[in-house]
Amino acid sequence: DIQMTQSPSSLSASVGDRVTITCQASQDIRNYLNWYQQKSGKAPKLLIYDASNLETGVPSRFSGSGSGTDFTFTISSLQPEDIATYYCHQYDNLPLTFGGGTKVEIK
Amino acid sequence: QVQLVQSGAEVKKPGASVKVSCKASGYTFTGYYIHWVRQAPGQGLEWMGRINPHSGGTNYAQKFQGRVTMTRDTSISTAYMELSRLRSDDTAMYYCVRESCTTRCSPAHWGQGNLVTVSS
Repeated sequence: DIQMTQSPSSLSASVGDRVTITCQASQDIRNYLNWYQQKSGKAPKLLIYDASNLETGVPSRFSGSGSGTDFTFTISSLQPEDIATYYCHQYDNLPLTFGGGTKVEIK
Repeated sequence: QVQLVQSGAEVKKPGASVKVSCKASGYTFTGYYIHWVRQAPGQGLEWMGRINPHSGGTNYAQKFQGRVTMTRDTSISTAYMELSRLRSDDTAMYYCVRESCTTRCSPAHWGQGNLVTVSS
């Protein structure tokens, strides 16, 4: 199984800050990586697909990059409504696997 | 628009089975795989498996092999996930998720979730 190592597990930042989350795959997954946002008590929501493509309707302050084994998710200017847990997810191979999540809080 | 509506919360005793449903609308049901993902309280996301609604073919995570069965009824655009021999650590929110496809298909559209509580 492909292991997805996400870091940090949590972070606290101020409104307007740039926030970066990393995700490392245990083997090459090309660009088959999604990023999801999960707000408290809600289902996850797809933000980024194919490592760097913004899902329709998602604000442009969210972005993703990377390929192979190393990926980055960025919020360019943190907003109060971005408080959530973020997960990376590989879909190159079955079984599909997820990173452990990053909880983003406002300082 | 794509909508997945799941059945209500369930409370089951250890050793019992649970069958949750996922009714799809807003697209051609047989055109996209449905995945099942679960999330234990305060924990991360765990992929359980997927079903091809067109053929009925399934792929299960090894962890759930022998305990999970995914089926579908194309006449009512509904997918089902049945988990047997329930244990307390099966207490979780269970989500159905429809794929979206670009160069590769991946889980994209989530149902609202089904809370399954296993308790004696």
